Amino acid sequence: QSALTQPASVSGSPGQSITISCTGTSSDVGGYKYVSWYQQHPGKAPKLMIYEVSNRPSGVSNRFSGSKSGNTASLTISGLQAEDEADYYCSSYTSTHTYVFGTGTKVTVL
Amino acid sequence: QVQLQESGPGLVKPSQTLSLTCTVSGGSINTGGYYWSWIRQHPGKGLEWIGYIYYSGSTYYNPSLKSRVTISVDTSKNQFSLKLSSMTAADTAVYYCAILYNYYFDHWGQGILVTVSS
Repeated sequence: QSALTQPASVSGSPGQSITISCTGTSSDVGGYKYVSWYQQHPGKAPKLMIYEVSNRPSGVSNRFSGSKSGNTASLTISGLQAEDEADYYCSSYTSTHTYVFGTGTKVTVL
Repeated sequence: QVQLQESGPGLVKPSQTLSLTCTVSGGSINTGGYYWSWIRQHPGKGLEWIGYIYYSGSTYYNPSLKSRVTISVDTSKNQFSLKLSSMTAADTAVYYCAILYNYYFDHWGQGILVTVSS
């Protein structure tokens, strides 16, 4: 199974909005609502930010939102803050009952 | 609040089998709906799903690792384990255990760095 495709890096100024894309196939992202997003700060374990395409776990800021269109899912961070600087990964359930992660995106706050 | 903690050797020789254990605290490994998972991250790289096990013993593995991976569960110790055979330098990574719940990875251990070197 191939990793989902994400841009290597995205940057924005404080207060701006940025969007990270996650492109897969009809056998994963496009076929199911089971796309999740994870934030990872250096040296730390990943943290769940979005599940089932657009749902936020309790405790996650409403500045984080998710969506999906066809085979591409997206994570939007609005009102960008310094603490949002991290790596972000998408993940999807697949048609073979397995899971695949995205290639990862480094978010830089300018 | 469920917590996970990985344990095992930090250094493995090439061709050996890696054995890691994840200890579950604050909850039971017999909890329905929880799938006990292993994920790894090569240095400076992205996340790679290894596989998961249900408390009943059913498993699913990453096809690229399937021939070398075994995940097992010990309900009496509230632990689950990963074995990865024929280790090479390419298996050097941080290994995480995590809970897969409703198709997302809900809780993660802190991770353990495993280096393959003679």
